[in-house]
Amino acid sequence: QQQVKQSPQSLIVQKGGISIINCAYENTAFDYFPWYQQFPGKGPALLIAIRPDVSEKKEGRFTISFNKSAKQFSLHIMDSQPGDSATYFCAASKAAGNKLTFGGGTRVLVKP
Amino acid sequence: GAGVSQSPRYKVAKRGQDVALRCDPISGHVSLFWYQQALGQGPEFLTYFQNEAQLDKSGLPSDRFFAERPEGSVSTLKIQRTQQEDSAVYLCASSLRGPSGNTIYFGEGSWLTVV
Repeated sequence: QQQVKQSPQSLIVQKGGISIINCAYENTAFDYFPWYQQFPGKGPALLIAIRPDVSEKKEGRFTISFNKSAKQFSLHIMDSQPGDSATYFCAASKAAGNKLTFGGGTRVLVKP
Repeated sequence: GAGVSQSPRYKVAKRGQDVALRCDPISGHVSLFWYQQALGQGPEFLTYFQNEAQLDKSGLPSDRFFAERPEGSVSTLKIQRTQQEDSAVYLCASSLRGPSGNTIYFGEGSWLTVV
């Protein structure tokens, strides 16, 4: 049972463009929604996270939008840079620090 | 060390062989997690420790998988009688406290290939 569905599987964007990744979840007990960035050969690293009491959170070029009624959330990467080329995972848990349920990942390639 | 340390980084095992994967969490971190990441997939939860207590092992795929953290710091994931479907990256992660609002930090993983 895939509790967190992520799309698209891959994405190519030009330098300076906007990358948008979408996730949908099923379990209404989830209360914490982080995004992780993973480079080849490395472990996932926390990028940004949101709780369902806010609809949007922005940190630098990264923004999470959250729609509680639709059970969907998305990551926007503004002014995408070649260094942003990585695999991005959305995740969900019942509280921050609890076990994470990950989406399938999105491979982002930013072309110079 | 500053981060979560895992060893070995790479392991090739013959089918049927037993393997042990080690995780050194960030010093002082109470919570420790193991995840399995198949090629091209997202990590999947295996088990969770709070100090030395294994509070959740619901993700362990079979009784061939066993994890321990006897002194509440270093943890070992053991896989007995490895099979080809066990080939994956095994990620260890730790966080400062129990489930009450802390970032989970991941190690770089142990890459297991079963031939």
